[in-house]
Amino acid sequence: AQSVTQLGSHVSVSEGALVLLRCNYSSSVPPYLFWYVQYPNQGLQLLLKYTSAATLVKGINGFEAEFKKSETSFHLTKPSAHMSDAAEYFCAVRRNSGGGADGLTFGKGTHLIIQP
Amino acid sequence: EPEVTQTPSHQVTQMGQEVILRCVPISNHLYFYWYRQILGQKVEFLVSFYNNEISEKSEIFDDQFSVERPDGSNFTLKIRSTKLEDSAMYFCASSDWGAVNTEAFFGQGTRLTVV
Repeated sequence: AQSVTQLGSHVSVSEGALVLLRCNYSSSVPPYLFWYVQYPNQGLQLLLKYTSAATLVKGINGFEAEFKKSETSFHLTKPSAHMSDAAEYFCAVRRNSGGGADGLTFGKGTHLIIQP
Repeated sequence: EPEVTQTPSHQVTQMGQEVILRCVPISNHLYFYWYRQILGQKVEFLVSFYNNEISEKSEIFDDQFSVERPDGSNFTLKIRSTKLEDSAMYFCASSDWGAVNTEAFFGQGTRLTVV
């Protein structure tokens, strides 16, 4: 089964600085990878997804992620942090081969803190 | 925009009681899921459901749990005899993975508190 590992349970950046949230995956087949954001007391919102069409994926709110097979990574970046980006971020991978009713396996999450 | 709807948003129950969490998935989706998030922890897969049967379940989804699609719109998660450790946020999701370029849509969650 596929899995993801998020490095850093908390990341703190200054407003306007680069945001980098790390995610590494383990998969025996080409993975489908996702980043979700969770604001306090809210559900999960998709930021972006990788489905093998392009290695650099652009998402909502200025976020993007690059799939690097050689590094088994799918790190999330944003050039300039905004106070509204403060939230919990989850990397996720489809659990199996991608067929049928395939659920997601989530990483432990990274809490992004934005310093004014 | 279509969305997954969950009710109630918050439920408090006594230990040992049965609870049913309800979800209305996106209407043209075929695959349905439940996930759990214990406070401060990661989101954990519980079960996937397709064509009126369970497709996959995790080790968390033991005999105390069951899922059902009682009609054409609702998807429910039942916990027969709740334990304190069942306190968590429960998320329902739906998808149409038949198309490669798609995603799972999540509801806002039901916060279950077992006392």
